[in-house]
Order: sequence, then structure tokens, then C-alpha cells
Amino acid sequence: AQSVTQLGSHVSVSEGALVLLRCNYSSSVPPYLFWYVQYPNQGLQLLLKYTSAATLVKGINGFEAEFKKSETSFHLTKPSAHMSDAAEYFCAVSVGGGKLIFGQGTELSVKP
Amino acid sequence: DTEVTQTPKHLVMGMTNKKSLKCEQHMGHRAMYWYKQKAKKPPELMFVYSYEKLSINESVPSRFSPECPNSSLLNLHLHALQPEDSALYLCASSQGGSETQYFGPGTRLLVL
Repeated sequence: AQSVTQLGSHVSVSEGALVLLRCNYSSSVPPYLFWYVQYPNQGLQLLLKYTSAATLVKGINGFEAEFKKSETSFHLTKPSAHMSDAAEYFCAVSVGGGKLIFGQGTELSVKP
Repeated sequence: DTEVTQTPKHLVMGMTNKKSLKCEQHMGHRAMYWYKQKAKKPPELMFVYSYEKLSINESVPSRFSPECPNSSLLNLHLHALQPEDSALYLCASSQGGSETQYFGPGTRLLVL
């Protein structure tokens, strides 16, 4: 069965510091992978997606993620955190038929 | 335009009430979804409609009844809900089953 694991339910960084949110997946076929962000009391917003075109994927708001097949990882990074980046982040894998398998989420806090 | 709209934004209902949630998209997407999200948890898939036909029902209790009147609209009819059904209900749409899902802002439901 396909699954997604996000390491760390809560990550705290200082403003201006590197953001690294970890996501590992298990999939028997080349996956479609996604990162979504959810701000308080809002829906999910797509940050970026991997669809096998390139291993380094650039998304919105300065975020990017690198697909590493050998490590079955799709970690999300941003060079310099901003206060407005504080939110819940979900990694997800598409398993076909309209189903997305989500990780448990990582709450990002940004300290001034 | 990648907008999915949902109404109402908030809903409070008693256990004997009947209410409906509405979702709309004008992106020409052929798949639409209902998710339920509890606090600090990832979204849980409830229903998938593909080309206006129900393709996935994730064993959702019959007190939740989905309806897809046309390719742009998705409703969720609620009847005799329980307090544990209180949650954020998210609608999403995508071009196809494995394509990117775009989420609406959600309806925050409280069952008293």
C-alpha cells in the first residue's frame, strides 16, 4: 500500500532561517507527489507538484522540493523563512482514481 | 483561474436539521471531491465524482448524501448528523483522477 510519512509534526525556525520539511513516500510506481499549505481556517493551497518532468521542482512563495528516488523522499525547502510562512504543510501522493494519500502534516512556526 | 468556491463558510446545525453544503468550480474540471478534515489532521476523502457520476464512496454514513447536478456543481446534503461530524468540509476539483486537486476554502460545520 502506498503511504506518505512526514517527519516531525511541528517544526520551528527563526525568521530568515532555512526551512526544511521532510516527506518520505512509498510507492510501487513512479508517483505524482504534491505539497500543499493550509493557513488557519482556510482550505489547502497547492505549493508545488512533482510529475517526473524534473527532479527539482519550484513552487510558489519561494518553496522548492527535490525528488530523490533512491531515498523515496520529496523534502520541501525554502532558503529564508518569513513570518507569513507559518502554516500547516501537507505532503501527498496520488494513487490514481482521484485518491490522494496525505501525510499527517507538519506545523511550521516562524519566530521573529 | 484555479478557484473553487464553497458556501456557506460556517454552518451550525442541530442533530435533527437538514442542511446542504455547496461547491462550485468553473475550470472545466471533470472530477470533484468532498473531504472531511478534523483539527490538526489531514483531509479524509469522502466522495469522488467523475464526469458527474459517483465513482468513490469511502464508506461514508448515509447521513451524508452527495449530489452532482452538473459538471460545475457539487452538493453535500446533511441530515441527522452527530456532534462528531463537526469538522471542516473541503471540496476539491481536478481535470482528471491523477491530476492536481484544487481545494476550496471549506465550510466549518458545528453540530450541536
